Amino acid sequence: TQLLEQSPQFLSIQEGENLTVYCNSSSVFSSLQWYRQEPGEGPVLLVTVVTGGEVKKLKRLTFQFGDARKDSSLHITAAQPGDTGLYLCAGARRYQGAQKLVFGQGTRLTINP
Amino acid sequence: GAVVSQHPSRVICKSGTSVKIECRSLDFQATTMFWYRQFPKQSLMLMATSNEGSKATYEQGVEKDKFLINHASLTLSTLTVTSAHPEDSSFYICSARGVAVPSNEQFFGPGTRLTVL
Repeated sequence: TQLLEQSPQFLSIQEGENLTVYCNSSSVFSSLQWYRQEPGEGPVLLVTVVTGGEVKKLKRLTFQFGDARKDSSLHITAAQPGDTGLYLCAGARRYQGAQKLVFGQGTRLTINP
Repeated sequence: GAVVSQHPSRVICKSGTSVKIECRSLDFQATTMFWYRQFPKQSLMLMATSNEGSKATYEQGVEKDKFLINHASLTLSTLTVTSAHPEDSSFYICSARGVAVPSNEQFFGPGTRLTVL
């Protein structure tokens, strides 16, 4: 059972289109991070959302944390080929006595010129 | 700031040998380091959590005698894959979290590609 469901897992769209990636869970997270990963590299942190209902913007990327802190979304406006990559959401929660990150399955995004 | 390095970036070894991977926090003190494994086209799976000066905590299904973790200082953790087999071939990624880092943020290394022949 996947604790953090990320969708869609694959998305291929044309340059200039908008898109939204979703992360959903039945669990509450103390915070949620969004990462972007290039092939053969480690994930790079894009943003951290902490407060329920929080919205953060990073240029054309808009991140939202659900009111109940169980879900999050990433919206990209006017996608560009440079946005191509693997996007990962990760929820922070405490279990086994430690704060750990639980990752979604990832969304492999391809922006076609 | 918050740079994490890994060495080596790629390693190829023969079946039955042991391989050590280093993870270093370059500009902050990492009280906790995490080791993940990522198979092709899949997400990251947490293998173990290590705190400086104490034994690592392994996730369910991860053999602690096969994946030895040492976190001897606040800037260095090592993962040793013992008696490696082809099924251990994977992308291993470490991350680090420091004392002053808010919101449980983890900073990831660039990963190590292990290929066991």
